[in-house]
Amino acid sequence: GAGVSQSPSNKVTEKGKDVELRCDPISGHTALYWYRQSLGQGLEFLIYFQGNSAPDKSGLPSDRFSAERTGGSVSTLTIQRTQQEDSAVYLCASSSGGSSYEQYFGPGTRLTVT
Amino acid sequence: GNSVTQMEGPVTLSEEAFLTINCTYTATGYPSLFWYVQYPGEGLQLLLKATKADDKGSNKGFEATYRKETTSFHLEKGSVQVSDSAVYFCALSKGSSASKIIFGSGTRLSIRP
Repeated sequence: GAGVSQSPSNKVTEKGKDVELRCDPISGHTALYWYRQSLGQGLEFLIYFQGNSAPDKSGLPSDRFSAERTGGSVSTLTIQRTQQEDSAVYLCASSSGGSSYEQYFGPGTRLTVT
Repeated sequence: GNSVTQMEGPVTLSEEAFLTINCTYTATGYPSLFWYVQYPGEGLQLLLKATKADDKGSNKGFEATYRKETTSFHLEKGSVQVSDSAVYFCALSKGSSASKIIFGSGTRLSIRP
């Protein structure tokens, strides 16, 4: 089936605006992850969802960042009052859980805050 | 805390050269270890993995052995090709299969024809 998809592929926003980034995981995958790839910080974990369990939010850099996953499928990452340091590529991944360790990554959303 | 340290790039080699990209990790217990690759214009994809000590992961001619005594997971390939040009990330995860991945900073590899 289809892989992980993300939208938009590119987003340019003004400092102080809110943005929403969307992730559609592979159908049937119970685990969903958000990462951020930036020049200064490399690839860093943000948050992950596993089934109906409480999400692991330990990687969110500030309370301006939040994410939800509706119906155990689609996820939205929201950044409020964006700052220039939020500029990065935001990656989503999903995995089937169980005994599989492999996370399948989407193409990412490139966010530029001007 | 858990962390991954890998060789800084960029690394430039000629085609058919031998490749080593060093990776060491810090973690409690027994993490799973991975190499991910990001080809130009493409998303991250898993290259190989090892889930316990002395395991060897292999794929596309690349190999890496989980060495607990040296906390290392070096990536090797005997003869690189131009098509191997990409950014390579060493990574680890802890606990259950549904677990966050901690990535190294990435090594950009360029292969000259």
